[in-house]
Amino acid sequence: NAGVTQTPKFQVLKTGQSMTLQCAQDMNHNSMYWYRQDPGMGLRLIYYSASEGTTDKGEVPNGYNVSRLNKREFSLRLESAAPSQTSVYFCASSALGRANTEAFFGQGTRLTVV
Amino acid sequence: DQQVKQNSPSLSVQEGRISILNCDYTNSMFDYFLWYKKYPAEGPTFLISISSIKDKNEDGRFTVFLNKSAKHLSLHIVPSQPGDSAVYFCAAKKPGGSQGNLIFGKGTKLSVKP
Repeated sequence: NAGVTQTPKFQVLKTGQSMTLQCAQDMNHNSMYWYRQDPGMGLRLIYYSASEGTTDKGEVPNGYNVSRLNKREFSLRLESAAPSQTSVYFCASSALGRANTEAFFGQGTRLTVV
Repeated sequence: DQQVKQNSPSLSVQEGRISILNCDYTNSMFDYFLWYKKYPAEGPTFLISISSIKDKNEDGRFTVFLNKSAKHLSLHIVPSQPGDSAVYFCAAKKPGGSQGNLIFGKGTKLSVKP
């Protein structure tokens, strides 16, 4: 009963390095999301994919790119990491078509950019 | 401009008593409101939701009240238990099926003391 799986759980990057955060869900959900959580800031949406083949910007997309590889997988890429991208990143998924459908979250990736 | 506000960063309650977590919003177009609970080092988990056409929704020890005229909702936990200690996020959804329309508050850290 995996739900939403994120890898890696922890990562330290040097400024300017690139990396991809991986996310996979096994609930056959149409929609997937990437959030970041910063102290005192709540959860802010970076990008989302309402369905396979589509992606849209959220509240804080600058510095990130995403790929909806297939229905299960949604990756987040940092092309040139900056200290301001130090955060905890959460991937989530939800079913489409029910207005009150909650999202299911992964355990998070703690990223530090030095 | 913060559309969903949780003005209390923290709340401390004695075990067995009632916990009341508050949330205010500014956008009258929100059609669903959700509460998520988050333990340290875990992703948020869905707790309870309410449609904008209702004023109360109950699920076991958890009840959410919605006052549309005041643009205010609250989560009541009765009786509170030590296992309820977590950060609680209020979220509001703009019309549309995707949770790309979900906006989170900054969270309230609840501590339930034995």
